[in-house]
Amino acid sequence: DAGVTQSPTHLIKTRGQQVTLRCSPKSGHDTVSWYQQALGQGPQFIFQYYEEEERQRGNFPDRFSGHQYPNYSSELNVNALLLGDSALYLCASSRQGLYGYTFGSGTRLTVV
Amino acid sequence: AQRVTQPEKLLSVFKGAPVELKCNYSYSGSPELFWYVQYSRQRLQLLLRHISRESIKGFTADLNKGETSFHLKKPFAQEEDSAMYYCALRNVTYNNNDMRFGAGTRLTVKP
Repeated sequence: DAGVTQSPTHLIKTRGQQVTLRCSPKSGHDTVSWYQQALGQGPQFIFQYYEEEERQRGNFPDRFSGHQYPNYSSELNVNALLLGDSALYLCASSRQGLYGYTFGSGTRLTVV
Repeated sequence: AQRVTQPEKLLSVFKGAPVELKCNYSYSGSPELFWYVQYSRQRLQLLLRHISRESIKGFTADLNKGETSFHLKKPFAQEEDSAMYYCALRNVTYNNNDMRFGAGTRLTVKP
């Protein structure tokens, strides 16, 4: 079991562009949560997907959106990128109702 | 609103010394607290959770609801304990796994 897989590992985008990050959850997991981790900060909760719906959302603008597919994989989309969006984006999967999170290694996004 | 506070960004101790990483929380419901650890070049991983009241790698943490704290302790620190430690709170109100993290404490254990 590969655990949680995120792609790409690194990405450089220009201000104003749009980006899509991808996450494949651990086998047996049905819930995907996305986090933004700026340098020197803890992971900040963006949103969580379960049954292909956004179930919970943190304090992030609508520029941040997501999707979950029937196979439980998920995407994070960010529109109109700002320099401040530069961060490590983490995906964590879990089984609904259970506490155990498994984290991916993240996607490092740099906005220039 | 739920919030997790780790007041120390950096903590340095000598090998064999006791270590305590502080965590305070604010939450209106009944909290579930966790400690996650990230070793160098590795993924974030669960260290322990308060419900299980277990000791992992010599670490323990007790939930103190009166002081709204969940400090992580180890009586004798080892060099391999050097890592980033994050305290996290699970939002159980909506019966999901919505986990909120503190800013983290970098622990360095010196030889």
